[in-house]
Amino acid sequence: AQSVTQPDIHITVSEGASLELRCNYSYGATPYLFWYVQSPGQGLQLLLKYFSGDTLVQGIKGFEAEFKRSQSSFNLRKPSVHWSDAAEYFCAVGLKAAGNKLTFGGGTRVLVKP
Amino acid sequence: EPEVTQTPSHQVTQMGQEVILRCVPISNHLYFYWYRQILGQKVEFLVSFYNNEISEKSEIFDDQFSVERPDGSNFTLKIRSTKLEDSAMYFCASSPLLLQGAGRSPLHFGNGTRLTVT
Repeated sequence: AQSVTQPDIHITVSEGASLELRCNYSYGATPYLFWYVQSPGQGLQLLLKYFSGDTLVQGIKGFEAEFKRSQSSFNLRKPSVHWSDAAEYFCAVGLKAAGNKLTFGGGTRVLVKP
Repeated sequence: EPEVTQTPSHQVTQMGQEVILRCVPISNHLYFYWYRQILGQKVEFLVSFYNNEISEKSEIFDDQFSVERPDGSNFTLKIRSTKLEDSAMYFCASSPLLLQGAGRSPLHFGNGTRLTVT
C-alpha cells in the first residue's frame, strides 16, 4: 500500500545543533514531495518542495531536503537550529495521477533545548 | 503575502448538530481543499473542489459532509449531523493550479478550525 512514514515522533535538539528529520515513502512512481511545518496554533506552512531536477532542494528558514530515489527518502535538514524552529514537521507526498491530493506522514515534533 | 483564512478558529457543538466551517481561499486560486487532523493522527485528505464541483473525495467524505462555494470568495464545509468522531482540526487549502500543471503549485493551508463535538 502507498504510505508516507516519519519514523521519529519526537526529536529534542539543542539550540545551535544540527537537525535531520526522516521521511520515507512507498509509492510505485516518483512522487512530488513536500515538507510542511506547523507551529503551535498555526496552520501548515510550506518549507520546501521537490518536483524534479536537482535532488537537493533549499527551502525557507534555512531548511534543505534531499531526495534519494534509491532509499525512497526525502529527509529534512537544518545545520543550526533556532529556538523558533520548535514545531511539528510533516512530510507529504503527492502523485501526478492523484491530482492535488496529498498524503501526509504522521509528523515529527521538534523540541529545542536552550 | 496572501493567506488562506478560516473561521472560526474553534467551534464547539453538540452531537447531532449541523456545523459550517468557513474558509476564504487566496483570491486568484482555482482549486480548494479540505483536510482534517484528528488529535494524534495524520492529516487526512477529505475533498477537493474545482470549477464549482467536487473533483475528488476520500472515503471519509460521506453523505454527512458537503462543500460549497456560495460566492466568489468563500468555501465552506458543512457537517450535517455531527458525531463525536468528527472532532478534529479541519484545514482548508487552496492552490492556483494542479500539481502536475505547468506551475506545479503546492497547496497553501489556513490555520485550521478546531471542531469539538460533545
